[in-house]
Amino acid sequence: DTAVSQTPKYLVTQMGNDKSIKCEQNLGHDTMYWYKQDSKKFLKIMFSYNNKELIINETVPNRFSPKSPDKAHLNLHINSLELGDSAVYFCASSRPPSEQYFGPGTRLTVT
Amino acid sequence: QKEVEQDPGPLSVPEGAIVSLNCTYSNSAFQYFMWYRQYSRKGPELLMYTYSSGNKEDGRFTAQVDKSSKYISLFIRDSQPSDSATYLCAMRTGESGGSYIPTFGRGTSLIVHP
Repeated sequence: DTAVSQTPKYLVTQMGNDKSIKCEQNLGHDTMYWYKQDSKKFLKIMFSYNNKELIINETVPNRFSPKSPDKAHLNLHINSLELGDSAVYFCASSRPPSEQYFGPGTRLTVT
Repeated sequence: QKEVEQDPGPLSVPEGAIVSLNCTYSNSAFQYFMWYRQYSRKGPELLMYTYSSGNKEDGRFTAQVDKSSKYISLFIRDSQPSDSATYLCAMRTGESGGSYIPTFGRGTSLIVHP
């Protein structure tokens, strides 16, 4: 009974491809997030959705497009993958003002 | 200067030692302070959460906030090999457009050896 789950766990793909990462939470939270963690371990917010609506969109290339079909799901689609997109992507959820629960991460490697 | 500074380590200590992990920050508007623990190849998990200045204790863990110095600490007593992980500090202001987005430090890698 994982609280925040992501698929796939690992993703290896070539430059120029399009890929998606899925996230689901069963905590009943209203707000979901996507973070990127680079090789130096910095966690950077990418997107935040509240009740299926985009709240925060940090400076992220428009090749990244989040989609929230319902409150429990927030997917991330990435077009035209680049080498610099290689990182670990974390989904998280929360019921503000409480803090965030993170998923296990998706390790993306672009070759 | 980054908003949140945290020494990446690694910090290596013997089992049973008292560990002190620290972060400094520059934004005086931060009011909520968190510590997350991240095991290798796992997601961060919330360990401690404090509001404003003061201390908070939970078992072997104590979080300390000194807003006047813009300095927060996490102390681990009687450290165990299972405490080996990366510890990320995080902090935020109040509500921000319906979401509560913390600013994270880069994490300190802790190794507790038997």
